[in-house]
Amino acid sequence: GESVGLHLPTLSVQEGDNSIINCAYSNSASDYFIWYKQESGKGPQFIIDIRSNMDKRQGQRVTVLLNKTVKHLSLQIAATQPGDSAVYFCAENIEGYSTLTFGKGTMLLVSP
Amino acid sequence: EAQVTQNPRYLITVTGKKLTVTCSQNMNHEYMSWYRQDPGLGLRQIYYSMNVEVTDKGDVPEGYKVSRKEKRNFPLILESPSPNQTSLYFCASSSMGAGGGGYTFGSGTRLTVV
Repeated sequence: GESVGLHLPTLSVQEGDNSIINCAYSNSASDYFIWYKQESGKGPQFIIDIRSNMDKRQGQRVTVLLNKTVKHLSLQIAATQPGDSAVYFCAENIEGYSTLTFGKGTMLLVSP
Repeated sequence: EAQVTQNPRYLITVTGKKLTVTCSQNMNHEYMSWYRQDPGLGLRQIYYSMNVEVTDKGDVPEGYKVSRKEKRNFPLILESPSPNQTSLYFCASSSMGAGGGGYTFGSGTRLTVV
């Protein structure tokens, strides 16, 4: 079957580099944001989330930055590894509403 | 192990032949949802359920039905499948609705309608 990675913007990095994946969200009323990772043949997996009352949140090797002024979200991955190769999606939500709206995704390719 | 289980993983069927894709979660989540994923279009929500006997349409509900008779199960029904429903389908669940904690996704069902 056709890969979900087709038609996606792609970021290619070397192992050990830091990666930055960007996402522009659509709704200024959105107040909760999540990054997901989807490896080939698997379902999306939660990485990290952030609420609109924060500008930055850090996890293990990952940092999410939120700029509400320009409706921009970024995911930074430190010391990128081949196992980080996947499609990354941002998702936005408005508190009180049930639906997560997903971005189209970015494919990250990590070369050894 | 906490998980969302979908079956089948792969399915090839013919136009018009009714089918059901099952979804079950073992986390006692109230919220469950179905998405389809297509190249260039990303993940689009089909239906969701806030709790037992409570379901609602997502962005692309046409041609699909769901039911939520039990908390753990949320089957997706295609009464008369058509080729434009060929896609990769994901079931997801969450304990706090979409607004908190994120979703846990199943492994996906790749459906081909010929």
